[in-house]
Amino acid sequence: DTGVSQNPRHKITKRGQNVTFRCDPISEHNRLYWYRQTLGQGPEFLTYFQNEAQLEKSRLLSDRFSAERPKGSFSTLEIQRTEQGDSAMYLCASSLEGPQPQHFGDGTRLSIL
Amino acid sequence: GENVEQHPSTLSVQEGDSAVIKCTYSDSASNYFPWYKQELGKRPQLIIDIRSNVGEKKDQRIAVTLNKTAKHFSLHITETQPEDSAVYFCAASITGGFKTIFGAGTRLFVKA
Repeated sequence: DTGVSQNPRHKITKRGQNVTFRCDPISEHNRLYWYRQTLGQGPEFLTYFQNEAQLEKSRLLSDRFSAERPKGSFSTLEIQRTEQGDSAMYLCASSLEGPQPQHFGDGTRLSIL
Repeated sequence: GENVEQHPSTLSVQEGDSAVIKCTYSDSASNYFPWYKQELGKRPQLIIDIRSNVGEKKDQRIAVTLNKTAKHFSLHITETQPEDSAVYFCAASITGGFKTIFGAGTRLFVKA
């Protein structure tokens, strides 16, 4: 099953450190999404790529967050100067173009000490 | 801004009974409404979706209804089984289909 793959699965870091997560989407999907999910809540939209172009960013995404998808394949999400409030599950999803189902990865759980 | 409200937050049913989860959305431009099931510690998985040009869709024990005028849609699970126990999320996708707003989720317990 060549589904959406995310690495690492878990990341524990100290406050103030930078972290980077990776997402490998389903190969034929040109759309890629990043979400943040906290306990008891639904996924919150962070940003979206169509191929290599980042087309939309949520107001939730502060200047400390940056995402890239350099060749329109895998994507990285970087958080600089992490804060306690950044602790969450970071989910990646991909889809075909149009109103199509999004396929999620298992997520990266970030814990800030 | 866009918003999706989901009710109830928790639902407990006896095995074999039906379960209904309701959602309302705010953006009248929304045209795609997926439902996801998320088991503890696992990824959200699509269980059914509906587009704005139809009012109802059914897949075995699962059905979804959409009322565009009232801007609400519902998930119906019949003959519930213990393995249906999970958190269910509704979502609405605005025009273009790229930004999806999720509800807060419904935790469904099916008692054997």
